[in-house]
Amino acid sequence: RKEVEQDPGPFNVPEGATVAFNCTYSNSASQSFFWYRQDCRKEPKLLMSVYSSGNEDGRFTAQLNRASQYISLLIRDSKLSDSATYLCVVLNSGYALNFGKGTSLLVTP
Amino acid sequence: GAVVSQHPSWVICKSGTSVKIECRSLDFQATTMFWYRQFPKQSLMLMATSNEGSKATYEQGVEKDKFLINHASLTLSTLTVTSAHPEDSSFYICSARPWDMPNTGELFFGEGSRLTVL
Repeated sequence: RKEVEQDPGPFNVPEGATVAFNCTYSNSASQSFFWYRQDCRKEPKLLMSVYSSGNEDGRFTAQLNRASQYISLLIRDSKLSDSATYLCVVLNSGYALNFGKGTSLLVTP
Repeated sequence: GAVVSQHPSWVICKSGTSVKIECRSLDFQATTMFWYRQFPKQSLMLMATSNEGSKATYEQGVEKDKFLINHASLTLSTLTVTSAHPEDSSFYICSARPWDMPNTGELFFGEGSRLTVL
């Protein structure tokens, strides 16, 4: 079983729609959680951290459920520029990040 | 934000040759750098953790004699793919974490190096 699992999609949504991505992780000792964004043929970039209490950054909301080992990302009012691959990332001990395969999002006009 | 530079961006080589990829942290010192590999439509897979002044720690299944890592300074790590073969064709990405931010989840990534072995 992979350590970080995501639905690869693709998710095709119209502009203005709300879309949610889910992610599960297998290591109950995982310490920190993040969402990264990766554009085609580019390096990943940090989108936001995920806190136990849930956190919001503009149109983006991230939530963590440690009991279920589940992380989510909600994007409201989707923009064309949101089209990318969203990577669920888990930080374990040893300071290396473990990446999910990513969920592909395509926002259409 | 912190800047990590990776070079070359693209490389095409013949089977059997060796290729060196450089990763530099331009405006911070990094005692630890990470090398990832990403095949098409796959996740980033950690290959090795590079520690300044000591031997790299390789992930299971990654051949240390094939993927040579050198981290001679706090701002430079190199990955050499020795005797490259077509199956080594991939997107290689380095990343670094500032030495004074050991617990942050924000890794700063290089732009990646796309290797094609003919």
